[in-house]
Amino acid sequence: EIVLTQSPGTLSLSPGERATLSCRASQIISSNYLAWYQQKPGQAPRLLIYDTSSRATGIPDRFSGSGSGTDFTLTITRLEPEDFAVYYCQQSGSTPRTFGQGTKVEIK
Amino acid sequence: EVQLVESGGGLVQPGGSLRLSCAASGFSFSDHWMTWVRQAPGKGLEWVANIRRDGGEKYYVDSVKGRFTISRDNSKNSLFLQMDSLRAEDTATYYCASGTYSHGYWGQGTLVTVSS
Repeated sequence: EIVLTQSPGTLSLSPGERATLSCRASQIISSNYLAWYQQKPGQAPRLLIYDTSSRATGIPDRFSGSGSGTDFTLTITRLEPEDFAVYYCQQSGSTPRTFGQGTKVEIK
Repeated sequence: EVQLVESGGGLVQPGGSLRLSCAASGFSFSDHWMTWVRQAPGKGLEWVANIRRDGGEKYYVDSVKGRFTISRDNSKNSLFLQMDSLRAEDTATYYCASGTYSHGYWGQGTLVTVSS
C-alpha cells in the first residue's frame, strides 16, 4: 500500500498569499496518477487537479499541481476567501487508492 | 446535470448489515469505474472499494475485505455496497464517486453509525 504524507498539517495564511501544499508518497506513483481534492465542512470533496497537473473542469487557474515520482505539490497562487478548506491528495497508481491525511488551510 | 445520490445509511448494531445504494444520473454510468469512499466523523478520507465498468473487477481496502461487497446494476444506473459484520470503526459518511483515476463527481454521502 502506498502511504501519502501531506505537509504541513495546517497552513495559516491571509487572503492574497500563496499556499504551497506537499504530498509525499512512500513509493513511486505509477503514471503520475495523483489527484488533489478540496473539502469544505459538510460538503463532499471537489476534484481540483488530476494526473498531477491537469485542472478539473471549472477550477480557477490560481490552482496548479506539479511533481513526479514520489513528491507532489499543490500551489494556490493567491488565496481567495473561498479557498480556506481542507485539501487531500490521492494516488490511483496502485490499489488500494490511498488518500493523504489532509492539509487544512486556515485564515491567519 | 450529473447527480449521485446515496441512500441506505443509518444506525446499526455491531455485527449487523447494511446495504448502501448510489443512484446515478446525467452521465453514462456504464462507461465509468465507480468508487466508495468513506470519512469517519472529524477524520480524513478513506478509499473503500471500486468496481470496473462491467462489474468484472472489484478491489477493496484490506480493512473491509471479506465483509463488504461492491456491485453495480448498469441497467438501473446504480451502485451498491453490501456491508456485513459491521464494526464500530466502520462508522462514517460513505460517498460514491465516479471516475477511473480521479473522481470528478461525488454524491453528498450517507451516514452509517455502528453502535449498540
